[in-house]
Amino acid sequence: GEDVEQSLFLSVREGDSSVINCTYTDSSSTYLYWYKQEPGAGLQLLTYIFSNMDMKQDQRLTVLLNKKDKHLSLRIADTQTGDSAIYFCAETSGYSTLTFGKGTMLLVSP
Amino acid sequence: NAGVTQTPKFRILKIGQSMTLQCAQDMNHNYMYWYRQDPGMGLKLIYYSVGAGITDKGEVPNGYNVSRSTTEDFPLRLELAAPSQTSVYFCASSRDNEQFFGPGTRLTVL
Repeated sequence: GEDVEQSLFLSVREGDSSVINCTYTDSSSTYLYWYKQEPGAGLQLLTYIFSNMDMKQDQRLTVLLNKKDKHLSLRIADTQTGDSAIYFCAETSGYSTLTFGKGTMLLVSP
Repeated sequence: NAGVTQTPKFRILKIGQSMTLQCAQDMNHNYMYWYRQDPGMGLKLIYYSVGAGITDKGEVPNGYNVSRSTTEDFPLRLELAAPSQTSVYFCASSRDNEQFFGPGTRLTVL
């Protein structure tokens, strides 16, 4: 089946930029997503990008998509302690069903 | 709008018991989904529905059943609970390309 891979852990200092990476295998992916999950909570959609785009910027968030390499990244500028959470990459290619990665735990230290 | 609501928040079952996890949304979304999240893992799709009266299997449907008699409700049924079904269950609904998640139900089967 289709697969989405992420690194499991990232640690940064407050004020630094964070870059979370994701690779996927489905060449027919139409949309790619980044979700945030705080402890004990559900998933919150942060941003998504259509597969014919290379980049999308939304305030402190920048998404880069390299469709040739099937690589997606999320950059968080000026990372804050409130950004500490698990970040999930996900893709869809039909019926809006999503395939998720295992999540990257971002730890922001003061 | 309440968004996507799930009940109960927590439940402990004995092996062989049955239960129904409730999910409701008030956004008039046609698409609804059930996922399970195991520790350290991403979300796996159990069942989904593209509208009232229509359901389909996801990646991990065994041991579960669903129904969709109304647009608003999408209950998930466990008939004979097994320890392997210990997990956090998330319901979601979507319009266009954005999925909205409920807060989750934490189920333990002992």
